[in-house]
Amino acid sequence: SQKIEQNSEALNIQEGKTATLTCNYTNYSPAYLQWYRQDPGRGPVFLLLIRENEKEKRKERLKVTFDTTLKQSLFHITASQPADSATYLCARGGQSNMLTFGGGTRLMVKP
Amino acid sequence: DTGVSQNPRHKITKRGQNVTFRCDPISEHNRLYWYRQTLGQGPEFLTYFQNEAQLEKSRLLSDRFSAERPKGSFSTLEIQRTEQGDSAMYLCASSLRGTRSQETQYFGPGTRLLVL
Repeated sequence: SQKIEQNSEALNIQEGKTATLTCNYTNYSPAYLQWYRQDPGRGPVFLLLIRENEKEKRKERLKVTFDTTLKQSLFHITASQPADSATYLCARGGQSNMLTFGGGTRLMVKP
Repeated sequence: DTGVSQNPRHKITKRGQNVTFRCDPISEHNRLYWYRQTLGQGPEFLTYFQNEAQLEKSRLLSDRFSAERPKGSFSTLEIQRTEQGDSAMYLCASSLRGTRSQETQYFGPGTRLLVL
């Protein structure tokens, strides 16, 4: 089965630093990976999508990489702010666009 | 608000009762998905529709679960004879097939179910 693994331990960083979250996948590379943000009690909110043939994608303070050799995606938030505190979910796209999610990593940005 | 909406937002029921949830997707979206999420876990795929056709169901979707999308617009998810293990957040998402951004799924706020 296709699995997505994210660090289940919370990531605590200081405001202004860069947060880096890791997403590892098993078996063959997915056509794309997506990153979502989820706040407590709310549904996930789409942030970025990166395709298998793309190495890097950026959007404002966010950057995502896709390394098919390491079977890994990294998600970076530069100049982090307390408002960035949330759980970040990585998901792989499959047939029918069904998403397989990792367990998420909780980010805490301290002022 | 033109996003995905779900009702009710919260539901408390007793074991053995039936419950039904509703999802209204973004109006022009032809794909609709249901996911289930338990505390501390990521969402797990349950089923999806393209227009009114239910095209895929997860093995997680036992016979007690049924989903419909009768006119290709809103969808309902029914759980019969609820069990305590059904307690979770039920998320609905929609997307528009046939566009460059078809893979992007837009999620609703979810329905939190508690089975006592």
